[in-house]
Amino acid sequence: EVVLTQSPATLSLSPGERATLSCRASQSVRTYLAWYQQKPGQAPRLLIYDASNRATGIPARFSGSGSGTDFTLTISSLEPEDFAVYYCHQRSDWPRSFGPGTKVDIK
Amino acid sequence: QVQLQESGPGLVKPSQTLSLTCTVSGGSFSTDNYYWSWIRQPAGKGLEWIGRIYPSGSTDYNASLKSRVTISIDTSKNQFSLKLNSVTAADTAVYFCARDLGVLGPEDYWGQGTLVTVSS
Repeated sequence: EVVLTQSPATLSLSPGERATLSCRASQSVRTYLAWYQQKPGQAPRLLIYDASNRATGIPARFSGSGSGTDFTLTISSLEPEDFAVYYCHQRSDWPRSFGPGTKVDIK
Repeated sequence: QVQLQESGPGLVKPSQTLSLTCTVSGGSFSTDNYYWSWIRQPAGKGLEWIGRIYPSGSTDYNASLKSRVTISIDTSKNQFSLKLNSVTAADTAVYFCARDLGVLGPEDYWGQGTLVTVSS
């Protein structure tokens, strides 16, 4: 089973700043890594799939990179609506799994 | 626009069976090459993938839950269902249904989620 770890657990930033979130896999997931954003009381929203592809309707300030075991989600300039929890998710191995999340909160 | 909606009891007694249904609208439920998944999230915690079903009826389950889980599908009603038996307090969570793109990608459309509490 692939275990995903995310760092940091919490990221405190101000609007307009750049956010860099990390996800590391316990074994290679090739590029089958996705990123989701979740706000309180809502379902996760797909941001990035296959490591670097933005999902439909996702703003260009969100970008993903990486392959194998190390991945990064970057938000180039934080908007007020971007403060949320972000999860990485792999579909390379069974069972599919999620990371524990990184909370991006307002500094 | 694909929409998913979970329904079912919000309270289940310990040792009983949790039963939820997801109704899908929009899209081609049984003809597109998509899977239909269940994922859960205990309060304040992360996401756990439970399993998925293809319109043909083939299923994949998380091994940690496999002995207690059954996912079924009714293409005539655009619905798929989750049954989890012998529940305990550890099964208390928000349960989400989602569309799984299979080889094309991860879960893209999700239901809003429904809270199921296991308590006597």
